[in-house]
Amino acid sequence: QQQVRQSPQSLTVWEGETAILNCSYENSAFDYFPWYQQFPGEGPALLIAIRSVSDKKEDGGFTIFFNKREKNLSLHIKDSQPGDSATYFCAASGGSNAKLTFGKGTKLSVKS
Amino acid sequence: NAGVIQTPRHKVTGKGQEATLWCEPISGHSAVFWYRQTIVQGLEFLTYFRNQAPIDDSGMPKERFSAQMPNQSHSTLKIQSTQPQDSAVYLCASSSDRYAEQFFGPGTRLTVL
Repeated sequence: QQQVRQSPQSLTVWEGETAILNCSYENSAFDYFPWYQQFPGEGPALLIAIRSVSDKKEDGGFTIFFNKREKNLSLHIKDSQPGDSATYFCAASGGSNAKLTFGKGTKLSVKS
Repeated sequence: NAGVIQTPRHKVTGKGQEATLWCEPISGHSAVFWYRQTIVQGLEFLTYFRNQAPIDDSGMPKERFSAQMPNQSHSTLKIQSTQPQDSAVYLCASSSDRYAEQFFGPGTRLTVL
């Protein structure tokens, strides 16, 4: 039973376009949702995170849109650059439990 | 700030041998987490410590895997009698408290032949 689902598995966009990565979850107790960026051979790096009391979070060219009622969220990467090509993971945690539950990731390719 | 340090970066063991993986959390962080990453299973939680005390080991395989945090500056993950299915990247993360952001190290790639 996969508690956090991501789509699409892979995504290709052109340089300058907005990439949209989707995430949904099942556990209503989840209230913290970080997104991580991972390059090959490296550990995941925290990109941006949102808590369930908010419906939007922006940081630089990254925006999370969160819909608590629908139990889904999306990461928008504005003005995508080839250097943004990486795998992006949506994660969730909640309540008294600090452990993160991860989705399977979306592999983003930005073509120039 | 050096970030989370993991050693070794790569480890190759023969089937049945023991492997010990080391993690040094960010200085001042009170929580340390271990995760495992494989192509098939993705990123999975293993165990976590807060203020050196074990809090949740629900992701740890019941046999052969153990973790310790003897002091605030390092944690170890030990795998006894390694099996090929233990091959994975083992990731350590730390956070300043249980509700704060988790910062990951570069991981240790374990290969069991």
